[in-house]
Amino acid sequence: KAGVTQTPRYLIKTRGQQVTLSCSPISGHRSVSWYQQTPGQGLQFLFEYFSETQRNKGNFPGRFSGRQFSNSRSEMNVSTLELGDSALYLCASSWTGTEQYFGPGTRLTVT
Amino acid sequence: GQQLNQSPQSMFIQEGEDVSMNCTSSSIFNTWLWYKQDPGEGPVLLIALYKAGELTSNGRLTAQFGITRKDSFLNISASIPSDVGIYFCAGLPEQGGSEKLVFGKGTKLTVNP
Repeated sequence: KAGVTQTPRYLIKTRGQQVTLSCSPISGHRSVSWYQQTPGQGLQFLFEYFSETQRNKGNFPGRFSGRQFSNSRSEMNVSTLELGDSALYLCASSWTGTEQYFGPGTRLTVT
Repeated sequence: GQQLNQSPQSMFIQEGEDVSMNCTSSSIFNTWLWYKQDPGEGPVLLIALYKAGELTSNGRLTAQFGITRKDSFLNISASIPSDVGIYFCAGLPEQGGSEKLVFGKGTKLTVNP
């Protein structure tokens, strides 16, 4: 089975812009979770989608949003980018929601 | 609360040595997972534990679900250079009712050949 894929792998944006990241889960997985990883804060949970519905949400501002499509593919959007949004954004898919399989991540740099 | 304290933060060992790391919390967890992350990549699931006292191996890796359900341990035997990376524990808290994994901050392992 193909693993979780994320596009793009690297992205450079300017403060104030918005960005959309994409994630394709492992075939058959209906749960997709998003995480932000920074050296200082570690892995922080953003949100989880299951069958196109947001099932869980972390403590991030409303500038961070996501959605899931009927084929389980997911996107996350960050509007009005800030310098502190520079991070590795990881997507993870799961059959049950517990054993999560991560993609390679998208490295976002905000200048 | 539901935070996971992972220790040690970093380890420097010689090739061939055994390694032990652990994850503790003041809360009870129903599931423990151990991941390894290489630089520039996403974490890779190594071992999943679902029952208190459970001991599970994956090659040279062995992990245990603590009896108190508040901790978990990962051991690596006869380390090799490719074991280098950051090891994360993750747990599913009993409290809260949501299927939200909580992650430790990681143990960075360096293996000297």
